[in-house]
Amino acid sequence: GAGVSQSPRYKVAKRGQDVALRCDPISGHVSLFWYQQALGQGPEFLTYFQNEAQLDKSGLPSDRFFAERPEGSVSTLKIQRTQQEDSAVYLCASSNLAGGGAKNIQYFGAGTRLSVL
Amino acid sequence: AQSVTQLGSHVSVSEGALVLLRCNYSSSVPPYLFWYVQYPNQGLQLLLKYTTGATLVKGINGFEAEFKKSETSFHLTKPSAHMSDAAEYFCAVSDESNTGKLIFGQGTTLQVKP
Repeated sequence: GAGVSQSPRYKVAKRGQDVALRCDPISGHVSLFWYQQALGQGPEFLTYFQNEAQLDKSGLPSDRFFAERPEGSVSTLKIQRTQQEDSAVYLCASSNLAGGGAKNIQYFGAGTRLSVL
Repeated sequence: AQSVTQLGSHVSVSEGALVLLRCNYSSSVPPYLFWYVQYPNQGLQLLLKYTTGATLVKGINGFEAEFKKSETSFHLTKPSAHMSDAAEYFCAVSDESNTGKLIFGQGTTLQVKP
């Protein structure tokens, strides 16, 4: 596709429900990142994939958060037993290069706004 | 650990006036620095980036930023504000690890008054 696509755009969940957020990166992009953006804050890193390998999950706030990218393209971020503090915008970004480096640019999706009631 | 501080959560300027958004960073290695803009209900869009070389970096929409190592700063400027510049702006530094993950500041909301 032309850009990073995320779905759904909005999700309302009752506390305790499980949710799944989808990210379709730009075709052919090797790297995929998930960030969490709380209201009025900057995005914070959650996890990083290089192709299908999850190389960094240091930002996941608890074991209720799980991410996968089984075929190295589409990724899903799953949150189990949602809590009110999980309410945030979840952003996905992709890059055509692996790892960091001067030429590495991340392209962001519009995000999924999760509200936990 | 690396960090980014944006001074001023809200900045208001008149249309046609100079825009100055401040960003300071901390990093133990030569940093890669970025400015992103976020319009309502949209994703982040890259304005400009500094990696190596020339310290004055020009970006899209007339924005530019200057990397000052001695001041650990990377302030964003635009000579003349336009109404369409109203948005949230984020400064970020690329993490020292080999993933390229970004560490963002808190953001600055730019208001442009007619």
